[in-house]
Formats: sequence, structure tokens, C-alpha cells
Amino acid sequence: DIVMTQSPDSLAVSLGERATINCKSSQSLLYSSNNKNYLAWYQQKPGQPPKLLIYWASTRESGVPDRISGSGSGTDFTLTISSLQAEDVAVYYCQQYYDTPPTFGQGTKVEMK
Amino acid sequence: EVLLVESGGGVVQPGGSLRLSCAASGFSFADYAMHWVRQIPGMPLEWVSLMSWDGGSTAYGDSVRGRFTISRDNTKNSLYLQMNSLRPEDTAFYYCAKGTVGSGYGDYFDNWGQGTLVTVSS
Repeated sequence: DIVMTQSPDSLAVSLGERATINCKSSQSLLYSSNNKNYLAWYQQKPGQPPKLLIYWASTRESGVPDRISGSGSGTDFTLTISSLQAEDVAVYYCQQYYDTPPTFGQGTKVEMK
Repeated sequence: EVLLVESGGGVVQPGGSLRLSCAASGFSFADYAMHWVRQIPGMPLEWVSLMSWDGGSTAYGDSVRGRFTISRDNTKNSLYLQMNSLRPEDTAFYYCAKGTVGSGYGDYFDNWGQGTLVTVSS
């Protein structure tokens, strides 16, 4: 199975400041035939199911604010919240869908400082 | 609006069985693969199983293979998970998740239900 490792496990960011979450996969998620990275990001708030934010490593899901962005390729990926808002406090997960079983990172908890 | 509503969770003894259901609406259910994903409270997400759009292809995680069976009824817009030989480590919230492709492979999850809690305890 592909192992997904996120860092840090948690971070505290001030309102309006940048939050950066890293995700590293144990093998490349870049499929050469279509040049796409099979990597998604989800946000989960307490008591709620996960919500899709980003797919193909950098494509924002409809309705996701543009302060949230994804980047990276191969084995190293980043989720960036450019200006943290109160509603962004949550746990964030990366997920690879390059191979079956799809696997998730351990999660990164983003809190307000 | 896509809506996924799970039901069937509850408390069951080790070795027991439970059948989860997921009622789908707001999209063309028969066109997409469907998945089950579980989460022990406070822990990361774990993919459990997938079924392709037509039921012709299934896959399972190592921890449930041979004990759980996924199925779907496209005439009822419903997904199911039959869970047998349940273990305490199966205790988790179980989410029904919509895939974005028909096969279920190379797939991410664009809509999730609210989840149903399964507790395996004596």
C-alpha cells in the first residue's frame, strides 16, 4: 500500500496568516500517461464528514474559497491556506488515489493561535 | 444537491453481524462507483470497500476482506455493506462516499454521508 505522511501533525496559526500542510507519498502519484497527480485534500470539522477541497493535486472543488490551494507533484504535495479564517479550523487529510487501496494521511489539525 | 444517508449502525457483540445501508439522491446513482470509508473517532480515515457503477467490480481493504461484502441496488439508489464476524477493532463511524468515475479505481470522493456509528462490544 502507498503510505501517506503528513506534516506537521498540528499547527496553530493567527487569523489572517498563512497555514501550510505537507503531504509525502511513499511512491510517485504522477501517472505518466496523463501527467496527472492522483492526490486529493479533504477538510473535516468536528462532528462532520470530510469535505473534498482539492483533487488532481491542485484543482479546487467548486465552492472552495480561493485562499485554499494545492500544489506539488510526484511524491511531495502542499495544501496552503493563504489567510486563515475562523471557519478553516479543522483537520485536513491528503489522500492518494493512484493505487488501490486508496490511502489517507494521518491528518493535520489546524487551530487558531 | 447530492445527498447520502447512511443507516443500520448500532451496538453488536464480537462475532456478530450488521448490515449498513446508504440511500443516495441528487445524482445519477447508476453512473458512479460508490465507496465505504470508516473512521475510528479521533483517528484517520480508512478506506473499506468500493463497488463499480454496475456492481461488476469490487475491492476491499485488507482488514475487512473475507468478512465484509459490498453491494448496491441501482433500482433503489442504494448501497449496502454486510459486515460479518465483527471485531472490536471494527468500531468506527462508517461513511458512504460517492466516487467520481464508474470503475471506482483511480477515484476520489466528492460527496460523503454523515456517517453511521458501529460499536462492537460485549
